[in-house]
Amino acid sequence: EPEVTQTPSHQVTQMGQEVILRCVPISNHLYFYWYRQILGQKVEFLVSFYNNEISEKSEIFDDQFSVERPDGSNFTLKIRSTKLEDSAMYFCASSELGYNEQFFGPGTRLTVL
Amino acid sequence: DAKTTQPNSMESNEEEPVHLPCNHSTISGTDYIHWYRQLPSQGPEYVIHGLTSNVNNRMASLAIAEDRKSSTLILHRATLRDAAVYYCILRHDSSYKLIFGSGTRLLVRP
Repeated sequence: EPEVTQTPSHQVTQMGQEVILRCVPISNHLYFYWYRQILGQKVEFLVSFYNNEISEKSEIFDDQFSVERPDGSNFTLKIRSTKLEDSAMYFCASSELGYNEQFFGPGTRLTVL
Repeated sequence: DAKTTQPNSMESNEEEPVHLPCNHSTISGTDYIHWYRQLPSQGPEYVIHGLTSNVNNRMASLAIAEDRKSSTLILHRATLRDAAVYYCILRHDSSYKLIFGSGTRLLVRP
């Protein structure tokens, strides 16, 4: 069964450093998403992406964040200058069309020291 | 974004049916009702969704009240693997983002 994959599974970085989280969505899916979940808190929507453009973004998704589909398979989330409060589990998701169910990856745990 | 209200936790016995309620009194006519679940240490997983009519799939059934102000997710025979946090989410027709609440933590007793 096709699945969304994410790398790395755990990323440790120093405050102020840039990180790139990588995702490989399901191959025939057209819509891509990033969510995050701070430990013990709710899953929060960050951004949705379709046709090489951001479709929607939340207030969390400020200028420190960017997304890119650099090739036909990867979807990345970049955080330019990490803060302690960026420590969270980051989930990538994809859907065939926007209104279809979203398939989530296993997540990348980001720890900012 | 329309709000949903769910109990914080529920318990069930293995192999018994489970009814997980959700109130969404401010739902609009173009809000879809989605259910996702999150097993421990995993990403969310789609369960089911509907608009007005009851829905069935291999995982669960979704019963939607006639006035659409509440819905119930039904797991017909709970297994230990169904222990998870279940989220009831309203998704507006014009948006594809999912806004998660706190959900209901389901404990399944063997």
